[in-house]
Amino acid sequence: QVQLRQWGAGLLKPSETLSLTCGVNGGSFSTYDWSWIRQTPGRGLEWIGQVNHNGFAKYNPSLTSRMTLSVDTSKKQFSLRVRSVTAADTGLYFCARQSTTMTPSVLFDPWGQGTLVTVSS
Amino acid sequence: DIQLTQSPSSLSASVGDSVTITCRASRSIADYVNWYQQKPGTAPKLLIYSASTLHSGVPSRFSGSGSWTDFSLTISGLQPEDFATYFCQQTFTSPFTFGPGTKMDI
Repeated sequence: QVQLRQWGAGLLKPSETLSLTCGVNGGSFSTYDWSWIRQTPGRGLEWIGQVNHNGFAKYNPSLTSRMTLSVDTSKKQFSLRVRSVTAADTGLYFCARQSTTMTPSVLFDPWGQGTLVTVSS
Repeated sequence: DIQLTQSPSSLSASVGDSVTITCRASRSIADYVNWYQQKPGTAPKLLIYSASTLHSGVPSRFSGSGSWTDFSLTISGLQPEDFATYFCQQTFTSPFTFGPGTKMDI
C-alpha cells in the first residue's frame, strides 16, 4: 500500500520561499508522475504541476513563474518550492501520485496528508 | 483553461436518500472526469475516474455517468460517512482543473 507523507514549514512571511517535500513509502517511484495540488480560499483546488523520476516537470501556466518542482529519486522524495509568497498563497498543500490508465485517464491517488501554509506578516 | 461548474453548491440530505451532483465543463472533455470526496482537514479521496469507473475499494453506492460536457455523480442510499464535499476534476487537458465543490450535510 503506497503512502505519501509530506512535510515543510507552515508559517511564512510575505516574500519568503515556501518549501515542501513529499516522501513515497512503498510501491514504484519511477513508474508514476508526482504532483502538487493546493486548496486556497480564493481559487479552490488547483493543480500546481507534476514531476517524474527524471526531474522533468510540467507546471500550471498560471503558477509557473514562482514554482519549482524537483525530485530525489534515491530517497523517493519530490519537492515544491514557491518563491515570493503572498497572502494569496495561504491554503492547504497536497502531494499526490499521478497515474495514467490504459484509456488513458489521469488520476490522483493516493494523496499526502496535507500541509496548512499560512502567509502572514 | 477548462472551467468546471458544479451544482448544487450545497445540499442537505438524510441517511438513506439518493442524491445526484452534476458537473459541467466549459468545453467537451470526452469522459476524462474524476470525482473526489473530501472531509474537513483531510485530503480528497478518489471515488470515480473516466467518468464512470469506480476506484478500487469505493462502495458500489457511488456511481458516475456522463460524457462530453455534462457529468453526474450519484450516491444511492446515503450512509453517515458520505456527508462530505465532492469535487469533479477534468484530466482531458493540462492544466488539470477542479470544480468548486458540492458540500453535502445532514
